[in-house]
Order: sequence, then structure tokens, then C-alpha cells
Amino acid sequence: EDKVVQSPLSLVVHEGDTVTLNCSYEVTNFRSLLWYKQEKKAPTFLFMLTSSGIEKKSGRLSSILDKKELSSILNITATQTGDSAIYLCAVEATGNQFYFGTGTSLTVIP
Amino acid sequence: EPEVTQTPSHQVTQMGQEVILRCVPISNHLYFYWYRQILGQKVEFLVSFYNNEISEKSEIFDDQFSVERPDGSNFTLKIRSTKLEDSAMYFCASYRHPTSGRPDTQYFGPGTRLTVL
Repeated sequence: EDKVVQSPLSLVVHEGDTVTLNCSYEVTNFRSLLWYKQEKKAPTFLFMLTSSGIEKKSGRLSSILDKKELSSILNITATQTGDSAIYLCAVEATGNQFYFGTGTSLTVIP
Repeated sequence: EPEVTQTPSHQVTQMGQEVILRCVPISNHLYFYWYRQILGQKVEFLVSFYNNEISEKSEIFDDQFSVERPDGSNFTLKIRSTKLEDSAMYFCASYRHPTSGRPDTQYFGPGTRLTVL
């Protein structure tokens, strides 16, 4: 059975800390891995990763995929209270099916 | 910024009733999806739709569910006879502009909260 596992399930940090969120997957016919941020309602897209070892960066967020280890990490540096959210990892398989992890709940306290 | 819209934002229904959830995907996107998220649980894939037909569906998407793209803009999810366990947030998403030149992005709608009593 295809699956996506995220860790940790939840994390509480202080503003200014750096956090690393993990996603591992066992999905046949892997096509891409996506990271989303879910605050109150709909997930919003952060990154799509298709190639191993190439870091994608957007401001204080960055992510990288390791296809050999079947995993990805999402880094957030200098965290702010506005980073508090659930971070979802999803894997796209060919056939246009997406498998989501349970998410990591991040709380950033001032 | 283009966006996916969904209506209604909240639907309350009695068990056994039919509901239709509506979505307007981003124009010119090629693939459309429905997901659901039961409160406190993970996002679950229901179905993907391409070229006017279902391309993939999950085990959750049984005979009680159907999807349609009746007029080239709306994308609907119908639940024929709702059960209590259908209570969830239902998200629509669209994907893949053929010529945008941007990295492919799956855009989610704001969701419809379905409450079955």
C-alpha cells in the first residue's frame, strides 16, 4: 500500500529557531513530491520537487528531495509566529493520484 | 492570482440525502481533483478527472460518489445518500496549465464543510 509518513507529528519552537520537517514515502510510480502549508482551511502550495539533490528555496523556506532515501526535508530558518501551521507533504504518482501525509503541526511561540 | 472557488462554504444535510458540492477550477487547467479531510485527520484523495472522465479514484470513492463537469467550467461532486461518516471538509483542486511556463502547482479551493446529521 502506498504511503507517505511525516515526522515529527508536532513541534513547538521559539521565534528565531530553525526547524526541519521530514517526509518519507513508499509510493510506486513516483512522479513528484509536494509541500503545502495548511493554516485554517485549504492547503497552499510551497514546493514541488522532482529531482534528487536540488534544493528549492523561497525566502526562509527550503526543501530538498532524496530519491535514494525516498524522503524529503523542509527547512524553515528564523521562524516567525506566522509560520505556525500544519505542513503537509504529498507525493504524486503517475495516473494523477496524490498521497498525503498526516502533516506536521508547527507552533512558533514568541 | 488565479484561484479555485467552491460553493457552498458549509452544507448541512440529513443522513440519506443527496448533496452536490460545486467547484470552479482555474480556467485552462487540465486536471481536477476532489479530496476530503475529516476533522483532525489527514487529507485523503478521492478522485481525479481528466479529459472529461475519471482518471483515478480511491477506495473511498464508492458508488455513492460521482463527479461531473457539466458545462466546461463547473466541476461537481455528488454524494447520493449521505452517511454520518461523510461529514468532512471537501477540497477541490486543479492542476497543470499546459503552457504557463511556471512550475506545475496544484491549487486548492477553500473547501466545503459538509455536516451530515
